This record gives sequence, C-alpha cells and structure tokens, in this order.
Amino acid sequence: EDQVTQSPEALRLQEGESSSLNCSYTVSGLRGLFWYRQDPGKGPEFLFTLYSAGEEKEKERLKATLTKKESFLHITAPKPEDSATYLCAVYNAGNNRKLIWGLGTSLAVNP
Amino acid sequence: DTGVSQDPRHKITKRGQNVTFRCDPISEHNRLYWYRQTLGQGPEFLTYFQNEAQLEKSRLLSDRFSAERPKGSFSTLEIQRTEQGDSAMYLCASSPGGVYGYTFGSGTRLTVV
Repeated sequence: EDQVTQSPEALRLQEGESSSLNCSYTVSGLRGLFWYRQDPGKGPEFLFTLYSAGEEKEKERLKATLTKKESFLHITAPKPEDSATYLCAVYNAGNNRKLIWGLGTSLAVNP
Repeated sequence: DTGVSQDPRHKITKRGQNVTFRCDPISEHNRLYWYRQTLGQGPEFLTYFQNEAQLEKSRLLSDRFSAERPKGSFSTLEIQRTEQGDSAMYLCASSPGGVYGYTFGSGTRLTVV
C-alpha cells in the first residue's frame, strides 16, 4: 500500500539551531515529491517539488533532498517565523491525479 | 490572478442544515481538488475535477456531499444534513495538470453545532 510517513511528529528548536525533517515513502513509481508549509488556520503553501533521487532544491533557510526511499527538509539557522507544520506529499505512477499526504511535522522555533 | 480563493472563510451551522462552499481556482489551471483536513492530520482527498468533469470522488465521501464545477471555472461543494463529524477545514486546490504542485486556497473552516 502506498504510504508517506513523516518524522518527527513535532520538533522544538532554538533560534539558530539547525535540524532536519524526514519524509519516508513507499510508493510504486515515484513521479514527484512535494513539500508544503502550513500555518495554523491556513491552506498549505507550496515549497518544493523533487522528481528524482539525488535532486536538491533550496529556498532561503530551507533545503530539500531526495533519495529512493526518503526526503529530507533541512532547516539551517531557523528563525521563529519558520514555525509551522511542514507537510510532505507524493505522486506515484499509478495514481498521478491526486497526492498521497503525510501527517506533517509541527515545528516550533523559540527566540 | 491572485491565487485560489475560497468563500466563506468560516461557517458555523446547526446540525442538519445544508451548507455550500465556493472555490475560485487560478484561471489557467484545469484541475481542481477538494480536500478536508482535521487538526493534526494531513489533507484528506474528497474529489477532483478536470475542467468541468468530475473524474474521481473518494469512496469515503458520503452521498451527503456533492461538488460541481460548471463551465470548468469555479467550483462549489455542498454538504447536506450536516453532522458534527463534518466539522473540519475544507481546502480547495488547483493545478495545471501533470506532476506540478497544487496551489491551495486559505480554506473554509466549518463548525457544526
């Protein structure tokens, strides 16, 4: 069964303390992996798309990487405004009309 | 075009009443999705349109839920005879098709009392 698992469920960091969020997946024929950020009471905001193992994308303090089994979202020197829930989702070859979602990692960055 | 718009942002209704939500997607996007999200969960797929055609509907969705996308533009999601378990955030998203990320609206928060 296609599945996306995110860890940890929650993470609390001090401002400037770098860390990584994990998204592991078991899908048949990955066609794309997506990272989103979601603030409370709002819809998810698109961050990155990764298509193949070895690919990396960067945006400000965030860097997303992809292997054949998992993706990491690295957060370098986070700031309090990076506090949010980070969601991972995948498209697979047999189900490319809708995304399969993880439950998210809730990140809190303390000043 | 300023993105995906959803209306209303919040809706409080009594159990048993009908409610309707509206979504205006990005105009160039031919795909439109409805999701439901509860606290601490990822978005749950409800239904999907390509242009005006409803191509897929979640098997988890009861017959009380119906969605339309007349003329392939805006979409409406109606819930009939609401129940307390329907309380959730209802999210709309659009995409240009293919393996592209979705653009989400801000959602409609439904509370059934």
